Amino acid sequence: AQSVSQHNHHVILSEAASLELGCNYSYGGTVNLFWYVQYPGQHLQLLLKYFSGDPLVKGIKGFEAEFIKSKFSFNLRKPSVQWSDTAEYFCAVNARNRDDKIIFGKGTRLHILP
Amino acid sequence: EAQVTQNPRYLITVTGKKLTVTCSQNMNHEYMSWYRQDPGLGLRQIYYSMNVEVTDKGDVPEGYKVSRKEKRNFPLILESPSPNQTSLYFCASMWNFGAYNEQFFGPGTRLTVL
Repeated sequence: AQSVSQHNHHVILSEAASLELGCNYSYGGTVNLFWYVQYPGQHLQLLLKYFSGDPLVKGIKGFEAEFIKSKFSFNLRKPSVQWSDTAEYFCAVNARNRDDKIIFGKGTRLHILP
Repeated sequence: EAQVTQNPRYLITVTGKKLTVTCSQNMNHEYMSWYRQDPGLGLRQIYYSMNVEVTDKGDVPEGYKVSRKEKRNFPLILESPSPNQTSLYFCASMWNFGAYNEQFFGPGTRLTVL
């Protein structure tokens, strides 16, 4: 069965620090990959997505992610975080042409200190 | 405005009292899905629907029912709620389960079962 692992459950950073959140998935075929963000008290919003093409994907709010097929990874990065980035981040994977489910990771809670 | 709406947003109920959480989307999306979000467990899919009159179980369907009589609506029914169904519920929709689509999420329904 597919699975998604987010290695960091809770990350605390100071403003202007660089961020990298890990995401690994377990399916060996073609995948669609997503990062969603959930700000406190709000619903999930799409940060970025990878379907095909350039493995370095740029999203909203200065976030980017790199798909490394050989490592089954899709890590989220931001060079300089802001206090407003405090939120929970979810990686999600859909195994294309396999089934009709989108599997979410357990989330990483990011807390930015002002 | 394109959106997914859920009602109610907050609900406190007692064990065994049947309830329905409504979900509606105005984007003519074919695919709709229900998730529950619990601390440390991320989002887990309850049920999904590929189109009208087509529904299928997700990862945690026990204790829930759904129906898809119209394209825009996908209500979640708890026939006999129990305290372990206390959770934050999200409805999501997507154009279809194709290769290049993303999900749009509703604002969430926080359910407490006493």
